Amino acid sequence: GNSVTQMEGPVTLSEEAFLTINCTYTATGYPSLFWYVQYPGEGLQLLLKATKADDKGSNKGFEATYRKETTSFHLEKGSVQVSDSAVYFCALSVSAGNQFYFGTGTSLTVIP
Amino acid sequence: ETGVTQSPTHLIKTRGQQVTLRCSSQSGHNTVSWYQQALGQGPQFIFQYYREEENGRGNFPPRFSGLQFPNYSSELNVNALELDDSALYLCASSLAGVQNYVYTFGSGTRLTVV
Repeated sequence: GNSVTQMEGPVTLSEEAFLTINCTYTATGYPSLFWYVQYPGEGLQLLLKATKADDKGSNKGFEATYRKETTSFHLEKGSVQVSDSAVYFCALSVSAGNQFYFGTGTSLTVIP
Repeated sequence: ETGVTQSPTHLIKTRGQQVTLRCSSQSGHNTVSWYQQALGQGPQFIFQYYREEENGRGNFPPRFSGLQFPNYSSELNVNALELDDSALYLCASSLAGVQNYVYTFGSGTRLTVV
């Protein structure tokens, strides 16, 4: 079946620290991979995506590379800011326009 | 360009009751998907509506049903509420046929069943 496993939280980092949130997946077929972010009291926002192997998605200093050989899509940022505090969800979709499969989310808190 | 609007933002219901949640899709979008997000969990797909018909369904019982209207807005109905139905319900709109995976999520309706 289709599923996403992501790093358990919560994660607490100091400002300007390096961030990695691990994500691995299983999928029937050839998935597209996503990272969504959820700020308190808000809906999910697409952070970045990759639709084929070796693609790198990037946005707002965050990056993730689609690794088919390790079935992974780890999220990284070189220098986090307080404003990055949120819950991050890894997700996959195996058919365009249809459902997403989400991980359980990783809560990130960045302290000054 | 307006985003996705969901109503109400919060509500409390008693076990066994019925509830209707509403979603107005983003301007220009014609597809609506509903997700259930239990506390501390990731969103789980309930179903999707396109052209007023169900276009895919997750592992949810028939007491979860929906509607889509000609203006692309949507309702999620849940009958015979159970305590485990307590969750944040998210609506997401998109434009079918455009393979760019642009989904706009609403802020959700927080349902508490007591």
